[in-house]
Amino acid sequence: SAVISQKPSRDICQRGTSLTIQCQVDSQVTMMFWYRQQPGQSLTLIATANQGSEATYESGFVIDKFPISRPNLTFSTLTVSNMSPEDSSIYLCSVETRLAFRGNEQFFGPGTRLTVL
Amino acid sequence: DAKTTQPNSMESNEEEPVHLPCNHSTISGTDYIHWYRQLPSQGPEYVIHGLTSNVNNRMASLAIAEDRKSSTLILHRATLRDAAVYYCILRDVNNDMRFGAGTRLTVKP
Repeated sequence: SAVISQKPSRDICQRGTSLTIQCQVDSQVTMMFWYRQQPGQSLTLIATANQGSEATYESGFVIDKFPISRPNLTFSTLTVSNMSPEDSSIYLCSVETRLAFRGNEQFFGPGTRLTVL
Repeated sequence: DAKTTQPNSMESNEEEPVHLPCNHSTISGTDYIHWYRQLPSQGPEYVIHGLTSNVNNRMASLAIAEDRKSSTLILHRATLRDAAVYYCILRDVNNDMRFGAGTRLTVKP
């Protein structure tokens, strides 16, 4: 199993500012992902955080808006840039422990609840 | 990606079995069937997954149709703590995890 912590757990931000969310895992993992969950909705995959290289973004998400870092196998950050009220969501970090068999379970962090005024 | 169809919501009485259906008529031979659930104010958690055969673990059972076009998650005795949104997800070994709308399960005392 993997224990994931996220910081901050919640924040209220002003329009036009940026927020960086941290994800820390208690063990080395091969895959790390970032998801967004808008109010009352399901989860949407934003990107895969790749260690030592640029993140792989899903359609509709771009690096300028959601820059991601992954400096090592246990840590990643997601920045929400130039925020607008439409960015108000829960942002979740997720990890998967093995690459060879992608049928393995993923573990999710508790999420960061972001409100943009 | 192959799609799944689940009822928007279901209700159950406490301590009774719950059968949560999922249709996935376009499933491919390499897709695994995963179930996750999301309790209120928490991130999703793994429940169970399978490929062709029925699966059992301490949380639930997964019954997979012979043609694999549908599956059922079975909670043998629902408790109030099982109230959550349950997601049925198809995933092959090369794809990332993508969530549908899920089924919101309400458990009545």
